[in-house]
Amino acid sequence: EPEVTQTPSHQVTQMGQEVILRCVPISNHLYFYWYRQILGQKVEFLVSFYNNEISEKSEIFDDQFSVERPDGSNFTLKIRSTKLEDSAMYFCATGEVVTGLDRTTYEQYFGPGTRLTVT
Amino acid sequence: DAKTTQPPSMDCAEGRAANLPCNHSTISGNEYVYWYRQIHSQGPQYIIHGLKNNETNEMASLIITEDRKSSTLILPHATLRDTAVYYCIASTDSWGKLQFGAGTQVVVTP
Repeated sequence: EPEVTQTPSHQVTQMGQEVILRCVPISNHLYFYWYRQILGQKVEFLVSFYNNEISEKSEIFDDQFSVERPDGSNFTLKIRSTKLEDSAMYFCATGEVVTGLDRTTYEQYFGPGTRLTVT
Repeated sequence: DAKTTQPPSMDCAEGRAANLPCNHSTISGNEYVYWYRQIHSQGPQYIIHGLKNNETNEMASLIITEDRKSSTLILPHATLRDTAVYYCIASTDSWGKLQFGAGTQVVVTP
């Protein structure tokens, strides 16, 4: 069964450094997302990406964050200057549109996550 | 998107059916009910979704009340591997954004 993969599984970085988190989506999916989960807290939406542009972003996704599909397959999240509060598990998700007779809905498939630790 | 309310935790005996309730009294007519689960810090896993009809797949069944103000996720024969946090999400977002709440921690015991 196809699955979303993420690398690295764990990233340790110093405050102020740039990090890039990578995701390989399921091949025929067209919708891409990043979420994060701070330890012990809820899963939070960061950004959605479709047709090579951001379709929606949350308040968390400020100018320090960016996303791209550099080679048409990988989907990356970059944090330019990490802060201590960026420490979290970051999940990539990819989605497909399911169109039925009376509805269009989205099913998202999540990767295993990258644990980012900022020291 | 409508707010959903779930019990914070529930226990279930292995092999028995687990019935997970969710209240979404302010749900609008075009909002779907999605269920995901998260097993111990892994990525959330899609389970099922529905609009107004009951739905069933290989993982679970979703029962939505006629007034759509509440729903129940049914795991027909719970196993130890079903221990997880289960999230009920009401969403109509056109880009598929999911707003997770605190969910229900389900513990399946032998």
